[in-house]
Amino acid sequence: AQTVTQSQPEMSVQEAETVTLSCTYDTSESDYYLFWYKQPPSRQMILVIRQEAYKQQNATENRFSVNFQKAAKSFSLKISDSQLGDAAMYFCAYRSADADKLIFGTGTRLQVFP
Amino acid sequence: EPEVTQTPSHQVTQMGQEVILRCVPISNHLYFYWYRQILGQKVEFLVSFYNNEISEKSEIFDDQFSVERPDGSNFTLKIRSTKLEDSAMYFCASSPGIASYNEQFFGPGTRLTVL
Repeated sequence: AQTVTQSQPEMSVQEAETVTLSCTYDTSESDYYLFWYKQPPSRQMILVIRQEAYKQQNATENRFSVNFQKAAKSFSLKISDSQLGDAAMYFCAYRSADADKLIFGTGTRLQVFP
Repeated sequence: EPEVTQTPSHQVTQMGQEVILRCVPISNHLYFYWYRQILGQKVEFLVSFYNNEISEKSEIFDDQFSVERPDGSNFTLKIRSTKLEDSAMYFCASSPGIASYNEQFFGPGTRLTVL
């Protein structure tokens, strides 16, 4: 069975600085997708960024980028120029190419200090 | 921007009672999901639903649970006889298609408390 591990329950960053959130996963599959979701306080989860396992190029979305290391089964999220609005719970998730479900990690709570 | 909505935001019930959690997915989406998160634990998949039938379900989704799309807009999760361990945040999600790269759009959740 696939698993997703987020080893950092909490992280903090100064506004305008860069922070990296870690995620590792375990799978025997070769075709899958990885996601980072953000959940602001009392709000729904929204997709931040996604990565297809077959793509070697790391995904980027504005200030958000990933470091996808397929052999190491690592999928970290880098947030550049952190803003106060980035404060949230961040979930890493895995989805098999042939399955419906997302498999989530336990989440990392990010605090952003002015 | 369209959003998934869920009602109620908080439901308190007595053990053994039936509860129905309601969701309104985004209007042109075809796939619907329920997840739950017990306090302090991971978000867990319960069930996916397409074309008026269950597409995939987890081992958590036993005979106590059922899902329904009673009309063109609502998607419901019913728990027939609630247990204390059903206390959790329940999230509904929808997506426009089944392809794995498709984003699942989540609702804000319903917090279910079973006393």
